[in-house]
Amino acid sequence: TQLLEQSPQFLSIQEGENLTVYCNSSSVFSSLQWYRQEPGEGPVLLVTVVTGGEVKKLKRLTFQFGDARKDSSLHITAAQPGDTGLYLCAGLYTGTASKLTFGTGTRLQVTL
Amino acid sequence: DAGVIQSPRHEVTEMGQEVTLRCKPISGHNSLFWYRQTMMRGLELLIYFNNNVPIDDSGMPEDRFSAKMPNASFSTLKIQPSEPRDSAVYFCASSLAGTGTTFFGQGTRLTVV
Repeated sequence: TQLLEQSPQFLSIQEGENLTVYCNSSSVFSSLQWYRQEPGEGPVLLVTVVTGGEVKKLKRLTFQFGDARKDSSLHITAAQPGDTGLYLCAGLYTGTASKLTFGTGTRLQVTL
Repeated sequence: DAGVIQSPRHEVTEMGQEVTLRCKPISGHNSLFWYRQTMMRGLELLIYFNNNVPIDDSGMPEDRFSAKMPNASFSTLKIQPSEPRDSAVYFCASSLAGTGTTFFGQGTRLTVV
């Protein structure tokens, strides 16, 4: 069984703080995606990382793919209430074609 | 584009009843996925189709669950008979194979009492 562990599970911070969410696996990904899900909605894709060591930025969000392609991190700078939601990493493992395996999720709450 | 459309948004049914969830993928997408989300188990892939053909149904919990995709624009997930432990949010998602981008519907919240 391929497991994707995310940490922390829950995070409650104040507006303006920085935070990092981690996604780890014992297996190698062919690519990894990060999604954000808001209450009552489906997950929405934020980014896809493919190359080991890759760093991608999306405004205040920075995504990093580990060199060995087994782990990833999401860093948010100066968090805002609009960042509140469930953050999910999802991995495509080599040989599994279209089959995404989702992580356990990190629930983020940003308060004023 | 209207996105992935699921119906109903909410379903409350009694244990033992048959439940049918419906999905219309994004036009032109050739991969369709059914996921289930619960607090305990997170987001789990139940089954996915490529070009209307089921490719991997290893996530389907048991024989009470079945899924069909009679054409490129419609899929159903059926639970018969339903049980309280089936209560969850069921998501349908679609993608164009090879693009790496999956689009999710808004989900169907199923409650079995």
